[in-house]
Amino acid sequence: EPEVTQTPSHQVTQMGQEVILRCVPISNHLYFYWYRQILGQKVEFLVSFYNNEISEKSEIFDDQFSVERPDGSNFTLKIRSTKLEDSAMYFCASTAQGQAYGYTFGSGTRLTVV
Amino acid sequence: EDQVTQSPEALRLQEGESSSLNCSYTVSGLRGLFWYRQDPGKGPEFLFTLYSAGEEKEKERLKATLTKKESFLHITAPKPEDSATYLCAVHAGNMLTFGGGTRLMVKP
Repeated sequence: EPEVTQTPSHQVTQMGQEVILRCVPISNHLYFYWYRQILGQKVEFLVSFYNNEISEKSEIFDDQFSVERPDGSNFTLKIRSTKLEDSAMYFCASTAQGQAYGYTFGSGTRLTVV
Repeated sequence: EDQVTQSPEALRLQEGESSSLNCSYTVSGLRGLFWYRQDPGKGPEFLFTLYSAGEEKEKERLKATLTKKESFLHITAPKPEDSATYLCAVHAGNMLTFGGGTRLMVKP
């Protein structure tokens, strides 16, 4: 069964450092997403990406965040200057237009900012 | 603003003891309601999508139903391997809005 692959599974970074979280969506999917889940809290939407541009973003997704699809397979989330409150599980998801079986999520990257 | 509320927050069942999880929602322009299973430290795993009131879907011991204001996930004769957090999410616009989840523990 096709999977969404995320790397690394766990990243520890110093406050103020830049991090890049990587995702390989399912190959025939067209819509890509980043969500995050702070420990003990709800899964929250960050951004959606279609046709090489952001289609929607939440209030969380401020100027410190950016997304990119640098080639035909990877989808990345960059946090420019990490804060302690950025510590969370970050999930990448993808879906194909019109699919009835929902978004497919990756296993996540646990980001710890110290 | 779209809102999704799940209850109970946690549920302990004995193996074989059937029960239901609730997801109530308010949303503009519902495109679908999703149920996911999430194991600790993992991403949400898709279970069901429901699109219109009255719709029902089943998979093994799980059955999801939908009304205009809420959805239920019925678990029949659960087993310990059904222990997980069950997430409900509504699809509106171009995003999913999740509820807080129900943490289900099934004891043998």
